Order: sequence, then C-alpha cells, then structure tokens
Amino acid sequence: GAGVSQSPSNKVTEKGKDVELRCDPISGHTALYWYRQSLGQGLEFLIYFQGNSAPDKSGLPSDRFSAERTGGSVSTLTIQRTQQEDSAVYLCASSLNPGLAYEQYFGPGTRLTVT
Amino acid sequence: GENVEQHPSTLSVQEGDSAVIKCTYSDSASNYFPWYKQELGKGPQLIIDIRSNVGEKKDQRIAVTLNKTAKHFSLHITETQPEDSAVYFCAASSGNNNDMRFGAGTRLTVKP
Repeated sequence: GAGVSQSPSNKVTEKGKDVELRCDPISGHTALYWYRQSLGQGLEFLIYFQGNSAPDKSGLPSDRFSAERTGGSVSTLTIQRTQQEDSAVYLCASSLNPGLAYEQYFGPGTRLTVT
Repeated sequence: GENVEQHPSTLSVQEGDSAVIKCTYSDSASNYFPWYKQELGKGPQLIIDIRSNVGEKKDQRIAVTLNKTAKHFSLHITETQPEDSAVYFCAASSGNNNDMRFGAGTRLTVKP
C-alpha cells in the first residue's frame, strides 16, 4: 500500500513569506507527527496529532509555526514569516497506535530553503 | 523528558567489518527502543526495534542489545556492505502519548 507522502518535495521561499507543507499519512493511522531535521542534525519533534484529541504542540519552536489535521487524515504545517533559520527538512510520520509505541512510518520529507 | 545521546556521530568501516553504534537514554520509564536508517533524500525507516522485556534481538546481520540498568542500547551490524552506508538514528519511548525522542544520528560509511 501507499506510504506516507509529503508535498512539495522541495520549497524555496523568500524570507518573510508564509509556507504550507502537506502530509498524507498512511490510511488508518491515527497518529501523525511532524519533525524538523536541520542539516546534519537529528530529528526535532514539532507537533503530534492523535485522533480527535487536542494536538501536542510542545515542540513548536515559535508562534510562527502551526499545524492542522483535517478529518483525522491530511495534515498541513504552516510557517509564517519564514526566517533563514527555518531552513531544514520537515519530516512527517504516522503510526498505527502510539499508545503502544508502534513503528513510525516516515515520509520522504520537504526540504525548505529560506533565502 | 527523555534525552537520548548517540555515539559516534560518524563511523567509517571497511566492507566486511562490524559496526557498533551506541545510545544512552535518561528516562527509566522508557521501554521501547527503535533504530532507524535514513538513506540520502529519504525519510528514516525502521530496521529493528527492541522492547525492555528482552536484552538482545537479532535480524540477520543486525542486532540490538539493551542494558536497562545502565540505560544504554547498541546497534551492531556485522559483515557490513556498501549499501549499509546511511545515517542511523536510535530512539527511546515509554509508549505514552508522544514521548519518543531521537538521538542525533550516526553517519556510517562502508568503504568497498
């Protein structure tokens, strides 16, 4: 079956512009995660959605970052007034049952470059 | 919260040799320890995981060991091949909500 997909694969934007990154999780996966991976760095947790529960936003680095998950499926990560330090690969992952710590399936990521 | 440290950050081995990557974690409640492999331009992919009720798990050339007392776990790759070259991430989770945290990654290079 289809894995996690993300779009766009690459995004170049000017400083100060807003960007939207999209994630399509695996069908039936109730949990969805966003991570940021800066060059040569590990995975920085940003936000987590589980079913209809309120999202865990504890990893969002500033109020310029927000995310939505519509209908328990597709998610959009929005970065407002982008800064050069926002340049990174943004990874989305989904999981079948996070309460039991199941495998997270990652998408290929969106490489964001802020010029 | 959980803090995971991973060493080394880079590792270069000759084809056929073994590679070992080590991680430590801070939260004694952690009970799930996955390892992910990330190839260039792709998202991380699970290669092996271990839960706290076992001390070792093997899958062909890959093995993971866990020492809960010392709070460390390791990935062992034997008979390395060039296609093993990638970035490897360890992670730890207690399985509650979203508390999985990742190490900083190890870039493994296998020289032919």
